[in-house]
Amino acid sequence: QVQLQESGPGLVKPSQTLSLTCTVSGGSISSGGYYWSWIRQHPGKGLEWIGYIYYSGSTYYNPSLKSRVTISVDTSKNQFSLKLSSVTAADTAVYYCARDNLSVDVWGQGTTVTVSS
Amino acid sequence: DIQMTQSPSSLSASVGDRVTITCRASQGIRNDLGWYQQKPGKAPKRLIYAASSLQSGVPSRFSGSGSGTEFTLTISSLQPEDFATYYCLQHNSYPPAFGQGTKLEIK
Repeated sequence: QVQLQESGPGLVKPSQTLSLTCTVSGGSISSGGYYWSWIRQHPGKGLEWIGYIYYSGSTYYNPSLKSRVTISVDTSKNQFSLKLSSVTAADTAVYYCARDNLSVDVWGQGTTVTVSS
Repeated sequence: DIQMTQSPSSLSASVGDRVTITCRASQGIRNDLGWYQQKPGKAPKRLIYAASSLQSGVPSRFSGSGSGTEFTLTISSLQPEDFATYYCLQHNSYPPAFGQGTKLEIK
């Protein structure tokens, strides 16, 4: 049973870079066959897909965030990471990491990130 | 980008009711659609994939149908644990897009 767990700071200052890591257990990112995604949910709002990475390192980002997003993978640690630069209060959200298999099938529990000085 | 329009945005129903939620895509997405249930403070949970395939472990009272641009999620007989928010997600083309959600409340 694959499980995902997000980690990272819960508070980020405006204009700084938000950095989160997702640790995958119960399965290997290197085995292939899945895309590994980041999704966020603004307070009381719907879901927004941020981007994904494949174990090979190929990525796709939502055009709405593309200029600020970097997703990377560390197969040796079975982790993938999100960096979102130049954050503002509008980036305050719950951030989920997820596995994509014929649409997203496994989600992390989510981590709340607040952007505030 | 493909836009997903979900309706209704909220719905009041009683235990035992049959409920239908609809998602419409701005262009054809074949059957590349999933349905999710989210309870407060929790991550979404996939109920349906490929428009009509039931996720393992999900009760059979949940069903999905549709293809192309119109899709439905049906709950045949509402149970107390079904009161939640439901989302559709298209993954036919990038970026994937969620519907805006349907909040299902107890009448």
